[in-house]
Amino acid sequence: AAGVIQSPRHLIKEKRETATLKCYPIPRHDTVYWYQQGPGQDPQFLISFYEKMQSDKGSIPDRFSAQQFSDYHSELNMSSLELGDSALYFCASSPRQGLNTEAFFGQGTRLTVV
Amino acid sequence: QKEVEQNSGPLSVPEGAIASLNCTYSDRVSQSFFWYRQYSGKSPELIMSIYSNGDKEDGRFTAQLNKASQYVSLLIRDSQPSDSATYLCAVIDYAGGTSYGKLTFGQGTILTVHP
Repeated sequence: AAGVIQSPRHLIKEKRETATLKCYPIPRHDTVYWYQQGPGQDPQFLISFYEKMQSDKGSIPDRFSAQQFSDYHSELNMSSLELGDSALYFCASSPRQGLNTEAFFGQGTRLTVV
Repeated sequence: QKEVEQNSGPLSVPEGAIASLNCTYSDRVSQSFFWYRQYSGKSPELIMSIYSNGDKEDGRFTAQLNKASQYVSLLIRDSQPSDSATYLCAVIDYAGGTSYGKLTFGQGTILTVHP
């Protein structure tokens, strides 16, 4: 079965650089979520999209922005990178937004800021 | 206080035993509950979802939900070394009367199954 695809899998950037992470949801899933997971931490919700519109926002820094495109893939843009942005970034998708909906995670992008 | 609390462990059980993982949540409007398994450096993998009080069984896994006590648990029967991982409890709740499916995670319980 098709899964959530994220690219790149690994990314090394210098401080103050910009990074773009991509997420391709499971086919026919219209909802995408972005999570950040620091070392030894649980995943923290950043932002979500439903039908190409932002639906919810969490602890996402102003330096980050995201969008969902017409083909439902999503991109997370991160500017003025800081050392503290080093983390695993996961994208998840679900067939709908709401309560009783299961979200499936991609393999993640490991971002290292040096 | 964290919204979703788990025993951080680590929890160590012998192969073939039952592993019991516990989770409590503070928000009474939490409605949907999930257990994810995460191997080190990998993505969370959905194991179980449970939405109503009682037990839900899937193979070696049983999820139990008690909304009155704000408690959800995961039992793993016949534990195998391959079950060794971090288990994350997650909830979805209403945000101002609407739910957009955002997951709030506990800090995870590290499980080790030794041969």
